[in-house]
Amino acid sequence: LAKTTQPISMDSYEGQEVNITCSHNNIATNDYITWYQQFPSQGPRFIIQGYKTKVTNEVASLFIPADRKSSTLSLPRVSLSDTAVYYCLVGGSIGANNLFFGTGTRLTVIP
Amino acid sequence: GAVVSQHPSRVICKSGTSVKIECRSLDFQATTMFWYRQFPKQSLMLMATSNEGSKATYEQGVEKDKFLINHASLTLSTLTVTSAHPEDSSFYICSARVDGTQKAFFGQGTRLTVV
Repeated sequence: LAKTTQPISMDSYEGQEVNITCSHNNIATNDYITWYQQFPSQGPRFIIQGYKTKVTNEVASLFIPADRKSSTLSLPRVSLSDTAVYYCLVGGSIGANNLFFGTGTRLTVIP
Repeated sequence: GAVVSQHPSRVICKSGTSVKIECRSLDFQATTMFWYRQFPKQSLMLMATSNEGSKATYEQGVEKDKFLINHASLTLSTLTVTSAHPEDSSFYICSARVDGTQKAFFGQGTRLTVV
């Protein structure tokens, strides 16, 4: 199983770009990288998923280097409502029960 | 986006009783669903993986006779907490993986309180 390592917490001011990096040194060939956002007392919300290079959607970008041993979630111009815990997951191959959560990164956006 | 509905969102039950939690994928089929529990200020802990039409796979330390999982259709999985005790009080969350993809979506969670 690919273990993930993320910073425990981060602080950022409103309007800044936030980059959260996740290390996954033993990622498998078939593994995808997925990021989720969780607010207190709610289920995680899917943010973005990628396999390699760069993926961008309406809320975030995901940067994955060629060796795929890490990934960076980029949140442009954060607002107070982006204060949440962000989880990086590696795996999810079809037919595998490897959807395990790491510790996550608690992002606090400061006004 | 894909929607996963979990019901109930909150339940209080007496010790010794059983509680059933439903997890439905509303607009997609999900052969595989996951069940988690989460304690305050902690990450999600995978309890079991269920596949439609077959027995669930439980993680180490999770009692399969206490946490009964049924995944009888491609859109519905249920978790039954049997003979609940106060230490079973927790936040339970389900997830459903969209068939043919690596994307999984989560329900809103169920806050279980056993008194």
